[in-house]
Amino acid sequence: NAGVTQTPKFRVLKTGQSMTLLCAQDMNHEYMYWYRQDPGMGLRLIHYSVGEGTTAKGEVPDGYNVSRLKKQNFLLGLESAAPSQTSVYFCASSTAGLAGNPTQYFGPGTRLTVL
Amino acid sequence: GQQLNQSPQSMFIQEGEDVSMNCTSSSIFNTWLWYKQDPGEGPVLLIALYKAGELTSNGRLTAQFGITRKDSFLNISASIPSDVGIYFCAGPTTGANSKLTFGKGITLSVRP
Repeated sequence: NAGVTQTPKFRVLKTGQSMTLLCAQDMNHEYMYWYRQDPGMGLRLIHYSVGEGTTAKGEVPDGYNVSRLKKQNFLLGLESAAPSQTSVYFCASSTAGLAGNPTQYFGPGTRLTVL
Repeated sequence: GQQLNQSPQSMFIQEGEDVSMNCTSSSIFNTWLWYKQDPGEGPVLLIALYKAGELTSNGRLTAQFGITRKDSFLNISASIPSDVGIYFCAGPTTGANSKLTFGKGITLSVRP
């Protein structure tokens, strides 16, 4: 049981390039989330999904797109990377929504630098 | 929106000391979660609190859900070097578009 895994672990992009971050979970969780973490800012929710085929915007969705084609995978895309998107990105999953058990399980993170 | 406040941003203690961290809000939360993030890793849940007044322990860690439901604290006793990391409090916001909101975290350093 690997829990939540993220690929890649590190990536450097040039401004304007695109990339996709992959998150996979093997816990059969319905809910999945993408966060970004910046120094002194804590964790901010980018997008989330309440089930296969559904996505919704979080606090800071601009410049990102997501897809949840399979229950176990949640993809985060950057269409045209900007230096402001330099950050550490975390994926998380949970069994239920916040009204149920709000505990989220996090992946190890992807460190992205945009030059 | 509902925000969680943690301060100071950093704490420095000597190995063996106890440390207490506070998390406050101007809004009521019905659940409080405490996470720890080791350097280079993702956050890991330490303790979850579901009831006002609840006091829960996990080894050397003790956390309490404040009676007013507007605060929580985490105590670490007899600190050791591996306690180093960032400690976040978190809680689900109420109302439509509920989400898990996080405090900005407290970075703990432990001097051997």
